[in-house]
Amino acid sequence: DSGVTQTPKHLITATGQRVTLRCSPRSGDLSVYWYQQSLDQGLQFLIQYYNGEERAKGNILERFSAQQFPDLHSELNLSSLELGDSALYFCASSGEGDTQYFGPGTRLTVL
Amino acid sequence: AQTVTQSQPEMSVQEAETVTLSCTYDTSESDYYLFWYKQPPSRQMILVIRQEAYKQQNATENRFSVNFQKAAKSFSLKISDSQLGDAAMYFCAYRSEWNTGNQFYFGTGTSLTVIP
Repeated sequence: DSGVTQTPKHLITATGQRVTLRCSPRSGDLSVYWYQQSLDQGLQFLIQYYNGEERAKGNILERFSAQQFPDLHSELNLSSLELGDSALYFCASSGEGDTQYFGPGTRLTVL
Repeated sequence: AQTVTQSQPEMSVQEAETVTLSCTYDTSESDYYLFWYKQPPSRQMILVIRQEAYKQQNATENRFSVNFQKAAKSFSLKISDSQLGDAAMYFCAYRSEWNTGNQFYFGTGTSLTVIP
């Protein structure tokens, strides 16, 4: 158990819909990262937050957005969903000068 | 931006044998961290080993060790006495020490098969 929690574990929805994925980092970690992993693909970095502020942005679509709240949990919002958005979405957290620890992921299926 | 390259999409090893997975990276920085993560069929990302660039000594974790060649920008993972449970996708990752974003850069992964 990495200490990073993600909810829900599985999510099935239809095209055009909007979903929210939630992540709670390890206790004390200020940084939260979001990744997308499509079937048999590597990790695509989406976005990073540090103590509530956006720090880095990767290949995140305009239909996707994220935020980190004062209690340091983070949410990734995916809207106008398309079939190609079906993937495993990982959240990870890290402390200063420390390793990145991953949550178990949320498997999103868009039908 | 930093890049991480894993040139072996697939590797296989006989059980109890040794296998080495390759990773190279491109950076102009002198201080950074390198990692190997394992992703078994469960899809959970598990940290295998980490290396600080300022340390000359290669990191070791039980049957897992690295060969860190800073000048060559190479960071290979050696798995000794391979076990069936080692079968997984392995990702190499780079993290800058001074990057204000603390962003991690991942390779495309190597799929390791362990043959009984």
